[in-house]
Amino acid sequence: QVQLVESGGGVVQPGRSLRLSCAASGFTFSSYAMHWVRQAPGKGLEWVAVISYDGSNKYYVDSVKGRFTISRDNSKNTLYLQMNSLRAEDTAVYYCAKIRADLWADGFDIWGQGTMVTVSS
Amino acid sequence: DIQMAQSPSSLSASVGDRVIITCRASQSISRYLHWYQQKPGKAPKLLIYAASSLQSGVPSRFSGSGSGTDFTLTISSLQPEDFGTYYCQQSSSTFAFGPGTKVDIK
Repeated sequence: QVQLVESGGGVVQPGRSLRLSCAASGFTFSSYAMHWVRQAPGKGLEWVAVISYDGSNKYYVDSVKGRFTISRDNSKNTLYLQMNSLRAEDTAVYYCAKIRADLWADGFDIWGQGTMVTVSS
Repeated sequence: DIQMAQSPSSLSASVGDRVIITCRASQSISRYLHWYQQKPGKAPKLLIYAASSLQSGVPSRFSGSGSGTDFTLTISSLQPEDFGTYYCQQSSSTFAFGPGTKVDIK
């Protein structure tokens, strides 16, 4: 079935790096834009980044620009989020999500289960 | 950046009640507005896309309307399984979410 599975979360010290992965299955990964969304403990959803189906276009929320990099490997059906210079305020559950159709401005119909990132000394 | 606001921030309603949640954008977003339901410890679930289109598999008691800056999500007859937090999201310019509306069942 259609599925997204995140991995790579954990506890990391401020200023260090972490790379999240999102393995996709059950759909043609290379046809869809993909997103990362995060949720700090007890808080609402925050969109983080998007990458186009072919990786040619990438956009970020202002708070992570210059620190986070979204990428994808369509040959491996995998989405990534490289997070550098991590801060305490980056502590959150990170979800990857698939756009519903091959339309840039569509809703997110498939979500992973989330992976927790804790930034703490 | 486009800012999203939702009201109310929380509500408590009885089974069978009609529930309306509103979402307002700081500038026109046409119909690039989507609604999600999230239950504690779970990933969000897409309910409505493009302001009024019902996502496959979502019960027909959920409906959406609006365009421009003002949108509504309506639950026509609240069911026990409808508890959770509801978020609107715009996709006109980046993909910002609203702050959420927590729905409790009385």
